[in-house]
Amino acid sequence: AQSVTQLGSHVSVSEGALVLLRCNYSSSVPPYLFWYVQYPNQGLQLLLKYTTGATLVKGINGFEAEFKKSETSFHLTKPSAHMSDAAEYFCAVTPYSSASKIIFGSGTRLSIRP
Amino acid sequence: GAGVSQSPSNKVTEKGKDVELRCDPISGHTALYWYRQSLGQGLEFLIYFQGNSAPDKSGLPSDRFSAERTGGSVSTLTIQRTQQEDSAVYLCASSFRQGEAFFGQGTRLTVV
Repeated sequence: AQSVTQLGSHVSVSEGALVLLRCNYSSSVPPYLFWYVQYPNQGLQLLLKYTTGATLVKGINGFEAEFKKSETSFHLTKPSAHMSDAAEYFCAVTPYSSASKIIFGSGTRLSIRP
Repeated sequence: GAGVSQSPSNKVTEKGKDVELRCDPISGHTALYWYRQSLGQGLEFLIYFQGNSAPDKSGLPSDRFSAERTGGSVSTLTIQRTQQEDSAVYLCASSFRQGEAFFGQGTRLTVV
């Protein structure tokens, strides 16, 4: 069975500071990993994905995430936070071996302090 | 259309009534998902379609919930005898590649 754990339901950083949102997964088979973002009053959209190959993946708006198999982690980072980054972020996993449902973490709300 | 379309966007219904929620996926997307998002909660998986088949309906909370997909396209989620705990935002998503889902804006269901 697969599962996703996001540490911290709410993270607050100052504008210009590093953003780090944590995600750990458990999976009995190699997974595909994703980060989705939900801006206020908008639908979810894909931020970035890891399937195979390079373990450091880059997404939209300057975000990136690194797949670390040994740590079963897929943390999301951005070097310098912007006010427009305030949103809810969801980590998600799905097995690569077959078509399947997407399992989402509980989400982390990111707030940006001026 | 350009994206996933859900209707209605808002639905207020009386306890005990049946409701039907509709999802129009992106053309050509073979996979379709339904999720539920309650206030302050994450995404609760309901059901997954591959084509017209539902290989995983493990998330449906009770037998009051059902869903179907026809022609490999439109899907409807039906909730019978609605209860107040059914109040939530119901999200539909479709995808062509594993895990890369495109979400609709959701249907906000309020049971009074």
